[in-house]
Amino acid sequence: GAVVSQHPSWVICKSGTSVKIECRSLDFQATTMFWYRQFPKQSLMLMATSNEGSKATYEQGVEKDKFLINHASLTLSTLTVTSAHPEDSSFYICSARVTSGRAVYEQYFGPGTRLTVT
Amino acid sequence: GQNIDQPTEMTATEGAIVQINCTYQTSGFNGLFWYQQHAGEAPTFLSYNVLDGLEEKGRFSSFLSRSKGYSYLLLKELQMKDSASYLCAVRGNTPLVFGKGTRLSVIA
Repeated sequence: GAVVSQHPSWVICKSGTSVKIECRSLDFQATTMFWYRQFPKQSLMLMATSNEGSKATYEQGVEKDKFLINHASLTLSTLTVTSAHPEDSSFYICSARVTSGRAVYEQYFGPGTRLTVT
Repeated sequence: GQNIDQPTEMTATEGAIVQINCTYQTSGFNGLFWYQQHAGEAPTFLSYNVLDGLEEKGRFSSFLSRSKGYSYLLLKELQMKDSASYLCAVRGNTPLVFGKGTRLSVIA
């Protein structure tokens, strides 16, 4: 199946700093990638939909100036958490929707990035 | 709006069969997915239903009734490694919306 990677797998940063998380589709092109956040013992919550070459679409309640998303190529999307605070500590997971040539209904998930803000 | 309900926790015995139910209300319907998620890891795809009926894949089966807004995931011959959270997710007119997950504990 399709493989999605994320980097870093975990990061600890100080309050007020910014953190960038990369999401890559390794063996397929993804025109659409999704960013989810998951707090302990809760389900995945969609933060934003990232389309290659255009602005991301953010879900209600997600600050677009705080969570900067860039989808510059068909295999790479980045999420930057700006001025991170302890309440941003969470598990961030990206997923990529497969484009032509494969089953288009599947979203493949990256392994996730554990962010801890101290 | 969109709403997906599934039980919070279930416990079953090794070797047994367990059924995890999911009910949903969404704007539009373009498929229902089941994912398995172990603690600290990302979800992994288990099954996809877009038409009514049962889809079988090894020890796992998933059922869908669109008219009832209902699905279930059936796990047979339970193994200890099946202890995980099972997420029901629905694609309406939006990207996948996830339920809160059912935490399954398999005991000896």
